[in-house]
Amino acid sequence: EPEVTQTPSHQVTQMGQEVILRCVPISNHLYFYWYRQILGQKVEFLVSFYNNEISEKSEIFDDQFSVERPDGSNFTLKIRSTKLEDSAMYFCASKRNAAYPYGYTFGSGTRLTVV
Amino acid sequence: GENVEQHPSTLSVQEGDSAVIKCTYSDSASNYFPWYKQELGKGPQLIIDIRSNVGEKKDQRIAVTLNKTAKHFSLHITETQPEDSAVYFCAAGGADGLTFGKGTHLIIQP
Repeated sequence: EPEVTQTPSHQVTQMGQEVILRCVPISNHLYFYWYRQILGQKVEFLVSFYNNEISEKSEIFDDQFSVERPDGSNFTLKIRSTKLEDSAMYFCASKRNAAYPYGYTFGSGTRLTVV
Repeated sequence: GENVEQHPSTLSVQEGDSAVIKCTYSDSASNYFPWYKQELGKGPQLIIDIRSNVGEKKDQRIAVTLNKTAKHFSLHITETQPEDSAVYFCAAGGADGLTFGKGTHLIIQP
């Protein structure tokens, strides 16, 4: 079964450093998402991306965050200057189209630890 | 924006009994309601979903019901087994993304 692949599985970074989280969505999917989950809390929407542009973003997704689809396969989330509160699991998701079925497929996540 | 409330936060049931988890949502424009199972250290795995034009959907031991008028939907697991122990999240939304509930930690006691 096709999977969404995320790398690395765990990243430790110093506060203030830039990090890039990488995702390879399912190949025929067109809609891409980033979500985050702070330990013990619910999954929160960050951003959706379609047709090479952001279609929606939450209030969490401030100027420190950016997304990019640099080639035909990767979808990245960049945090420019990490803060301690950015420590969380970050999940990438993709789906094929906007119509039924809506099924989103999630990756296994990248655990980001900011020290 | 959408707001999803999920109850209970923890549910402990005897193996073989049924478990019910309930969610409410606020945005009447939401038309997709998935349920995810999350095991420790893993991403959310879709277990069942329902769209707003369907009132009930069943897949073996798992069923979901949707009441669009009341804006609530529920997950029902029958004949629970130890491997059902996990955190379950409901979500509501559509093409632009999902809003998740806070999760229910389901514990199956032998």
